[in-house]
Amino acid sequence: DVKVTQSSRYLVKRTGEKVFLECVQDMDHENMFWYRQDPGLGLRLIYFSYDVKMKEKGDIPEGYSVSREKKERFSLILESASTNQTSMYLCASRNGGQGKNIQYFGAGTRLSVL
Amino acid sequence: AQTVTQSQPEMSVQEAETVTLSCTYDTSENNYYLFWYKQPPSRQMILVIRQEAYKQQNATENRFSVNFQKAAKSFSLKISDSQLGDTAMYFCAFMTREVQANDMRFGAGTRLTVKP
Repeated sequence: DVKVTQSSRYLVKRTGEKVFLECVQDMDHENMFWYRQDPGLGLRLIYFSYDVKMKEKGDIPEGYSVSREKKERFSLILESASTNQTSMYLCASRNGGQGKNIQYFGAGTRLSVL
Repeated sequence: AQTVTQSQPEMSVQEAETVTLSCTYDTSENNYYLFWYKQPPSRQMILVIRQEAYKQQNATENRFSVNFQKAAKSFSLKISDSQLGDTAMYFCAFMTREVQANDMRFGAGTRLTVKP
């Protein structure tokens, strides 16, 4: 089975802290994604990566950055956390660029910024 | 830009009955994929069913089936013989078949509760 593992299920951080959310997939997938999930808004794409060291902005990249130094790992970074970044964060991975390949999700990280 | 709309924020159904979740989308593309994902409480999101737009036949996976109306840009999910384990958030999603595309568009979700 494909595994997409997010390092933390719950995180509580203070305003202004630098926050790292880690995601690892074990299926050698080319594409990895970070989404933010908020009630009534569904999933919104923050950043994605189609190869090592490559990154592309999604719909809501402001306040976030990402890092992909190895194919299996995709990190989301909040440089200076703010209360409006309190949310559920989902990582996903998929092989190839077309919808014929299934996109797999991690269990999510629920981040609270106080 | 493609958009996906789920007009039912919450629904409930009695165990063993049938329920239909609605989804509409907006696109100028002709070739694309549509998906229904299920997110159980505190658990990972998983793919329920997938439809390729060029296929006229509606996709079916056991108790789950879709009603795909391409002209109307509608993609509803029917769950037959509902079970307690079907309680979850359900997300409709769209993805173009263009090779350079990488992102999937999601609706706001429908929270389904199956009652005993």
